[in-house]
Amino acid sequence: NAGVTQTPKFQVLKTGQSMTLQCAQDMNHEYMSWYRQDPGMGLRLIHYSVGAGITDQGEVPNGYNVSRSTTEDFPLRLLSAAPSQTSVYFCASSYGGQKNTEAFFGQGTRLTVV
Amino acid sequence: AQSVTQPDIHITVSEGASLELRCNYSYGATPYLFWYVQSPGQGLQLLLKYFSGDTLVQGIKGFEAEFKRSQSSFNLRKPSVHWSDAAEYFCAVGPIMEYGNKLVFGAGTILRVKS
Repeated sequence: NAGVTQTPKFQVLKTGQSMTLQCAQDMNHEYMSWYRQDPGMGLRLIHYSVGAGITDQGEVPNGYNVSRSTTEDFPLRLLSAAPSQTSVYFCASSYGGQKNTEAFFGQGTRLTVV
Repeated sequence: AQSVTQPDIHITVSEGASLELRCNYSYGATPYLFWYVQSPGQGLQLLLKYFSGDTLVQGIKGFEAEFKRSQSSFNLRKPSVHWSDAAEYFCAVGPIMEYGNKLVFGAGTILRVKS
């Protein structure tokens, strides 16, 4: 059982480049989210999805796009990378529509923008 | 607004000593509370969770946490720390269903274990 799989694990980008962080889950979870983790700030929500075809913004959405064409996949796109986007990115998934559910996290993608 | 405060940025304990990591939260309704651990270079692993019932919850790796509603706290404890416990620990509250089961995280506490 793979759970939540993120690729790549590490990435270095030059300022202005674009890229897509991949996230896939095999638990048939309706809800998926992207967080970024920065020192001293915990994890902050970038975008989330409550089902295929439905996405919305979190706390820090600027500079990122998402789409959800299938239940399993929730890619995060950096449109034009900036040094401020240097961070660790986590994808999470959970069952929807209920509170007593836990979130499952991927292993993270460590992104450096130079 | 929901928030989580972890007052200690760094904590250093000796191997074999007891550990308590503090977590205070602000949440309008009955909170669901979580502790996650992130070992160096690794992802987030759930240590334990509180949904309801017994306010003392047991988790993996010998950790436990106690929910105290009157103090809005959910402190993490371990009676005897091992060197492998060195990691960053995050307390979280949620889920916020209006935002896709969003979790609100504290800033984290980095645990160092000295031999």
